[in-house]
Amino acid sequence: AQKITQTQPGMFVQEKEAVTLDCTYDTSDQSYGLFWYKQPSSGEMIFLIYQGSYDEQNATEGRYSLNFQKARKSANLVISASQLGDSAMYFCAMREGATGGSYIPTFGRGTSLIVHP
Amino acid sequence: GAVVSQHPSWVICKSGTSVKIECRSLDFQATTMFWYRQFPKQSLMLMATSNEGSKATYEQGVEKDKFLINHASLTLSTLTVTSAHPEDSSFYICSARPGLAGEDRSETQYFGPGTRLLVL
Repeated sequence: AQKITQTQPGMFVQEKEAVTLDCTYDTSDQSYGLFWYKQPSSGEMIFLIYQGSYDEQNATEGRYSLNFQKARKSANLVISASQLGDSAMYFCAMREGATGGSYIPTFGRGTSLIVHP
Repeated sequence: GAVVSQHPSWVICKSGTSVKIECRSLDFQATTMFWYRQFPKQSLMLMATSNEGSKATYEQGVEKDKFLINHASLTLSTLTVTSAHPEDSSFYICSARPGLAGEDRSETQYFGPGTRLLVL
């Protein structure tokens, strides 16, 4: 079974609008971390945002926020006020293993976001 | 901060040759670095976890003798693709997790820009 599921292979959004990229995860660990990365056409993976499993508040970083719903095992990325430069692949990822102990990263298949004028 | 470099950024080689890719953390030390492989329009596949001063931990299905990993220092890990063949052509990305063993290390791994390998 996939540990990270991104059901949207592609998304379109108009510039200045908000967009939500879906991510669900599967783990039996109590301690885990969730990440979102952006990969533009150049290939570089750019870290966007992190949410720890014990964090009670949703993480926010500028225009990015992570809608963390632990009971539903979802960690959706919300991008507010989309910009043309946001067009890229977006990957949801999870770190399993106890904090400070093992660290096992897993990535989803990604969602291609296209922002149009 | 948290900059990771990779060298070379791209390489073309003949079948049967070996290729070495370097991954460096420029402004932090990292006990742990990761090596990934990515095919076009697909996700990142973790190949191995590189630990400074010890043997790398390879994921299931990854040939240890084919993909040699050396983590010589807290800022450098290398991946050598030995006797490369066309099917080894791919995008290889490394990442580093800031912090040292025994410390409260960073949750986030930071990625290098990747190396595109084409084996003819």
